[in-house]
Amino acid sequence: EVQLVESGGGLVQPGGSLRLSCAASGFTFSSYWMSWVRQAPGKGLEWVANIKQDGSEKYYVDSVKGRFTISRDNVKNSLCLQMNSLRVEDTAVYYCASEVSYYGSGMDVWGQGTTVTVSS
Amino acid sequence: QSVLTQPPSASGTPGQRVTISCSGSSSNIGSNTVNWYLQLPGTAPKLLIYRNNQRPSGVPDRFSGSKSGTSASLAISGLQSEDEADYYCAAWDDSLNGWVFGGGTKLTVL
Repeated sequence: EVQLVESGGGLVQPGGSLRLSCAASGFTFSSYWMSWVRQAPGKGLEWVANIKQDGSEKYYVDSVKGRFTISRDNVKNSLCLQMNSLRVEDTAVYYCASEVSYYGSGMDVWGQGTTVTVSS
Repeated sequence: QSVLTQPPSASGTPGQRVTISCSGSSSNIGSNTVNWYLQLPGTAPKLLIYRNNQRPSGVPDRFSGSKSGTSASLAISGLQSEDEADYYCAAWDDSLNGWVFGGGTKLTVL
């Protein structure tokens, strides 16, 4: 079964750091782009970042550039999002997602999400 | 303010056909395909339509997608109570070098 499981969320003060992880199973992780998508409370979906199969290309939404870093470990089948200088507006459920089965879908497999709360 | 524009709400009665629009620009919908996602409360999004009009396995043919120019739409025919959910469109944006989503449309089945 194709599965993505996020972890690492929690409560952090503004200016703090947090590292999210996503464990992948059931598919050849190293063959697919991976993404992080977030959803603030009561708001819509916002793509955060993605990373190419070999990690050679990474893209970020403007609001997190210079603060967040996406990375992957194709041996451990894991995806990470290092979040620094966190702001209140980064509070959201963070989903790990990938395009595994349907070419051009962007994201056809999603994790259950991990909650990040930035508050003093 | 989302890059792609969707109506915040839509509604219909059981059995009816409803459509949800998604408006973008030349850098996203105008030059790339559109995907649609469905999200039930408290759950992760689920892929509903990809590459404008393709349905993943398991998605009923009551759901259909189309695209014209810089706009796209999702149509749901034979509306059912379980269709009540939030619907999002998305496309890659060549100028932003990233995925952009619509703000979401909350569908209510009356």
